[in-house]
Amino acid sequence: NAGVTQTPKFQVLKTGQSMTLQCAQDMNHEYMSWYRQDPGMGLRLIHYSVGAGITDQGEVPNGYNVSRSTTEDFPLRLLSAAPSQTSVYFCASSLGEHSGEQFFGPGTRLTVL
Amino acid sequence: GDSVTQMEGPVTLSEEAFLTINCTYTATGYPSLFWYVQYPGEGLQLLLKATKADDKGSNKGFEATYRKETTSFHLEKGSVQVSDSAVYFCALTPNQAGTALIFGKGTTLSVSS
Repeated sequence: NAGVTQTPKFQVLKTGQSMTLQCAQDMNHEYMSWYRQDPGMGLRLIHYSVGAGITDQGEVPNGYNVSRSTTEDFPLRLLSAAPSQTSVYFCASSLGEHSGEQFFGPGTRLTVL
Repeated sequence: GDSVTQMEGPVTLSEEAFLTINCTYTATGYPSLFWYVQYPGEGLQLLLKATKADDKGSNKGFEATYRKETTSFHLEKGSVQVSDSAVYFCALTPNQAGTALIFGKGTTLSVSS
């Protein structure tokens, strides 16, 4: 099993550009989520999904969109990048919403100039 | 709402020193408790967990005991190694929909030889 994979590993954008961060898991997990990690802020939940076709907002959803057309994939879209979105982004998955252990991808380091 | 508070870092130790990282929580119900570790440049991975009061989680020489009376889950290791240098996150399963885990802000541990 590859676990949770994320691409790209690094990305530099200019303000106003859009892009999609990819996330996939091969563990047949129902719950998937996106976090951003910023110094001194810990991990903050952006969006989550409890299954294919179902998504909802987390703590900091503004400026991001998600969709979940399959169980395996959960892409995160930045609509119009801003410097405030410079961060490290992690995708995670788990069997269920409160099933316990979450499995994390390796992260995408995004810089917006 | 549910929350996790962990000690501010960074924590700087010499090899073979004793480690304690404090973690306290506020929660309704009976959450499961976790410690995650993030090595430089990587995603988070589960270090240990405990699912009910008085349970002790252990892994790689690290231990933590679920103390309901003090709402604490302190991480300890008797003799740290340089390879333990990482960021450590305390987390719990909240009694609310949508969020799989609530994390503390993380504690950076630096071990020197």
